[in-house]
Amino acid sequence: GENVEQHPSTLSVQEGDSAVIKCTYSDSASNYFPWYKQELGKRPQLIIDIRSNVGEKKDQRIAVTLNKTAKHFSLHITETQPEDSAVYFCAASIPHSNSGYALNFGKGTSLLVTP
Amino acid sequence: DTEVTQTPKHLVMGMTNKKSLKCEQHMGHRAMYWYKQKAKKPPELMFVYSYEKLSINESVPSRFSPECPNSSLLNLHLHALQPEDSALYLCASSQGQQGWESPLHFGNGTRLTVT
Repeated sequence: GENVEQHPSTLSVQEGDSAVIKCTYSDSASNYFPWYKQELGKRPQLIIDIRSNVGEKKDQRIAVTLNKTAKHFSLHITETQPEDSAVYFCAASIPHSNSGYALNFGKGTSLLVTP
Repeated sequence: DTEVTQTPKHLVMGMTNKKSLKCEQHMGHRAMYWYKQKAKKPPELMFVYSYEKLSINESVPSRFSPECPNSSLLNLHLHALQPEDSALYLCASSQGQQGWESPLHFGNGTRLTVT
């Protein structure tokens, strides 16, 4: 999406290492930030999300941090496993009329975990 | 298993054909979305329906025509498409309320090829 930047575009780590993916957004009205994992030929699936009133959230090996002032948020995966290999997308909510919202996605990070 | 069902899974159509993509959800979600995804790219927002009203049309060409017959169903009518419209078309749904943002749940998509 135009207002969500994501880095790096590719990331290769060894099994057991940590992986970090970073995103920035520009719309100050964004207040919901999910992360999706998409395996080849499959649909995007939510792995973790964070709202703007929270600075950090953790779910087992996955954590997300948010700096709302700087408009940065990051995904951290610890103890990576080969099955973590996939494309990861960050996203930011964009409000619209009728009290709804949509998501704008970053360009994606292709993560490869080698045994 | 996905709670958002899309049909057909694959579609090949000529440039003069008329076809429709269908999407259904029974999670009680009030917002439904069409996204387009090209290979190695992020999902790109096309349309958002909120409470059965079209809320966002991201400058999509008129050869794509969305329809929301009720809160559980979303269609995308296709006419006079171009080869560059070949892509994975993803439907998604969410609870859809600003201030109570929740994840988008994606269907498995329709792989469209325009010949």
